[in-house]
This record gives sequence, structure tokens and C-alpha cells, in this order.
Amino acid sequence: SQQGEEDPQALSIQEGENATMNCSYKTSINNLQWYRQNSGRGLVHLILIRSNEREKHSGRLRVTLDTSKKSSSLLITASRAADTASYFCATVWNTDKLIFGTGTRLQVFP
Amino acid sequence: AAGVIQSPRHLIKEKRETATLKCYPIPRHDTVYWYQQGPGQDPQFLISFYEKMQSDKGSIPDRFSAQQFSDYHSELNMSSLELGDSALYFCASSLAALNNEQFFGPGTRLTVL
Repeated sequence: SQQGEEDPQALSIQEGENATMNCSYKTSINNLQWYRQNSGRGLVHLILIRSNEREKHSGRLRVTLDTSKKSSSLLITASRAADTASYFCATVWNTDKLIFGTGTRLQVFP
Repeated sequence: AAGVIQSPRHLIKEKRETATLKCYPIPRHDTVYWYQQGPGQDPQFLISFYEKMQSDKGSIPDRFSAQQFSDYHSELNMSSLELGDSALYFCASSLAALNNEQFFGPGTRLTVL
């Protein structure tokens, strides 16, 4: 990946459990965004966190950002089978193009 | 609400052929981006346009070209296709600003045989 790694690469959990995915990046950023992708389908924007923000919530999603460590985490609480997808972080710096991480494949079992 | 439209959704070509992918951004969005996602890979930025002018360029091969037209739709032209060009090609649109969300289309799956 041009930007960095996501950890773990794959995650399997039961419905109702929480899922945490981590993203590390290499450059300075203006913002960091999380996207979801169902197998072979389009990318759906989940949440955007700006470089001067440390935490953001949206429904069952919680994103944190630590610019000193160049890392972010996405927490999905009370996961559902429908949350099964790949999750990508993407950063924006200087220009508005997105630089994606390697993604985490999340499998939620009913 | 209107979303980003891409056509065709699927395309099968032979090596050395050409392909044209089309993208229709969300109305009033002035910026279009193209990304390529190989099998099992993360999306890679190819090129973007703002107000019909190229605004940024990423890892786009010289065999590829793109433009944005007066109605803001964009086309990605791919020539001398290679097997390695097989991928999902996404278009995204936004209102130009660093902290604005990009809205992605459903993608065009290109298979080169």
C-alpha cells in the first residue's frame, strides 16, 4: 500500500461482539476517512475525522485518531452479520486524493 | 438522492484492445476522481479533475488517458490493454475541498483476456 497497514488483515467475530480495526499511515494528514466495501462492490463512506480531532462517533461507529503515532482505529460496537465487509482507512494530505490502507476483512458470524 | 453513475458495470476485452469507462458525478459536484482496485488490493488513485482541468495525477499508466467534459462527466480511456489491467475501476465525485467526502460509484469491473 502507498500509505500504510491495517491491522488485523482479517477479523472474525460473533454477532453482538465489538470489532476493532487499526490503521497506521506514513505522511502528515488533513483528514482520515474510513470506508466499507462489500465483496467486489463500491466503497461506502463511513466517517471522516480531521487532523485536529481525536475522536468521532457515528451510530455504532467510533473512530479515534492519534497523529503523534500516525494511527487511527475504527470500533464497531454490537456487530451484526450485515457488518461483514472489508474496511479501509484512507488519508488526505495536501491534495484531495485518497490514499488507502490495505484493508481489514471483517466476518461477523450470526 | 442521485449517486455517482458508472458505465458499463462490466467489460470484457482482449489484450491490446481499447476500453472507455464513463463516470457521471453527483449533480453540482465539480471534482471527479478515478481509482483502480486490483484483486485483493486496496484502491489506488489514478487521476482527478476539477472544473474540467486535470488536478492531480497518480500511478496512471501512459496507456491511459482521461478527461472531464463540459457537463462534468468523465471518461477514462485505456489503450493497449494488458492482463494486469483487469481490475475494478471506481469513479468518485465531490465538491472541491480538502475535508469533503468523496462519493464513490459502483465501479466498472474490467476483465482483460
